[in-house]
Amino acid sequence: RKEVEQDPGPFNVPEGATVAFNCTYSNSASQSFFWYRQDCRKEPKLLMSVYSSGNEDGRFTAQLNRASQYISLLIRDSKLSDSATYLCVVDRSYNTDKLIFGTGTRLQVFP
Amino acid sequence: DAGVIQSPRHEVTEMGQEVTLRCKPISGHNSLFWYRQTMMRGLELLIYFNNNVPIDDSGMPEDRFSAKMPNASFSTLKIQPSEPRDSAVYFCASSAGTGTQDFGSGTRLTVV
Repeated sequence: RKEVEQDPGPFNVPEGATVAFNCTYSNSASQSFFWYRQDCRKEPKLLMSVYSSGNEDGRFTAQLNRASQYISLLIRDSKLSDSATYLCVVDRSYNTDKLIFGTGTRLQVFP
Repeated sequence: DAGVIQSPRHEVTEMGQEVTLRCKPISGHNSLFWYRQTMMRGLELLIYFNNNVPIDDSGMPEDRFSAKMPNASFSTLKIQPSEPRDSAVYFCASSAGTGTQDFGSGTRLTVV
């Protein structure tokens, strides 16, 4: 079983739609959680951190459920420019810099 | 800040040749990571350094792969001899210990 699992998609949604991605992680000792975005043939870039209480950044909302070891990302009012692969990222444990990346969920927003 | 700088951007080489990938981390970042990304396996951590010291190389596929960090501003990943299955995008990333990592633009390696 992979340490971080995501639905690979693709998710094809029209502009303006709301779309949600889910991710599960296996290491209960993980302390830090992130969503990264990767455009085609580009490097991954940090989209947002995920906090225990949930957090929002504009049209993006991230949620964490530690009991179920589950992370989600909600995108409201999708734009064409949101088309990318979204990577769920988890740290290995408290005292390490290592991050474990999911294989990503591909989103395609169409006009 | 110029960000993490990797070179070359693209490398095409013949099987059996030595390949050296280079990385300059962001100034002040004390951790450096080498990743490999393929369609089949996603983003895999190969090795990471903290304060120029290798901490975890458990992701290095085999002895053909080696990495060095002689100082805080430079690291290399070497493959010798290269094989077609090494074809992938190799990313270098650095971190200031905040949990997040900044990635370079990657080196797209093709071994023919």
